[in-house]
Amino acid sequence: LAKTTQPISMDSYEGQEVNITCSHNNIATNDYITWYQQFPSQGPRFIIQGYKTKVTNEVASLFIPADRKSSTLSLPRVSLSDTAVYYCLVVFSFSGGYNKLIFGAGTRLAVHP
Amino acid sequence: GAGVSQTPSNKVTEKGKYVELRCDPISGHTALYWYRQSLGQGPEFLIYFQGTGAADDSGLPNDRFFAVRPEGSVSTLKIQRTERGDSAVYLCASSLNDRYYNEQFFGPGTRLTVL
Repeated sequence: LAKTTQPISMDSYEGQEVNITCSHNNIATNDYITWYQQFPSQGPRFIIQGYKTKVTNEVASLFIPADRKSSTLSLPRVSLSDTAVYYCLVVFSFSGGYNKLIFGAGTRLAVHP
Repeated sequence: GAGVSQTPSNKVTEKGKYVELRCDPISGHTALYWYRQSLGQGPEFLIYFQGTGAADDSGLPNDRFFAVRPEGSVSTLKIQRTERGDSAVYLCASSLNDRYYNEQFFGPGTRLTVL
């Protein structure tokens, strides 16, 4: 069964580091893990993408263990504007050679003053 | 430059009616995706175009749903005999290349309400 699992919600305070983990099994071996941010009434927005180990950009880091059965999005020093829903997006491979894009159910992050 | 645009932003229709939802991708993006998002859920993949052809339509829930992209740019998602369960936000995204791992740029969505 292709499934991703994320915490439903998280709370944090300004200036703290936030780590959100997505669990996923049987993802396609050659495809990336991607994280998106979504604000109300908007489409998701790309944050970061990785294949293995660690990736860092100007807004986040992504940690992927060797077995690729999970990934952790790390947001350093969050601010109020980081209050949003965060989704992992993975590609699952199925028998018969076809792949399917699956978004997680999302983690609602609330950042407090 | 212009991002992905979707029209209409809101659509209210009656059960059994036909609707069309339009997506204008970013110029030059060859890949186009349609998703459906219900309240409190992540986007659900519907269909993926590479150029004019549907490379993967495995997410279309049934034969009432159909999408086209005749010139490899604008795409239209068509829903026949709408049902109340079709109510959702329909998202369109485009990306530069044809692999799933490329960054997708999303439009604001069309909120479809079936009464």
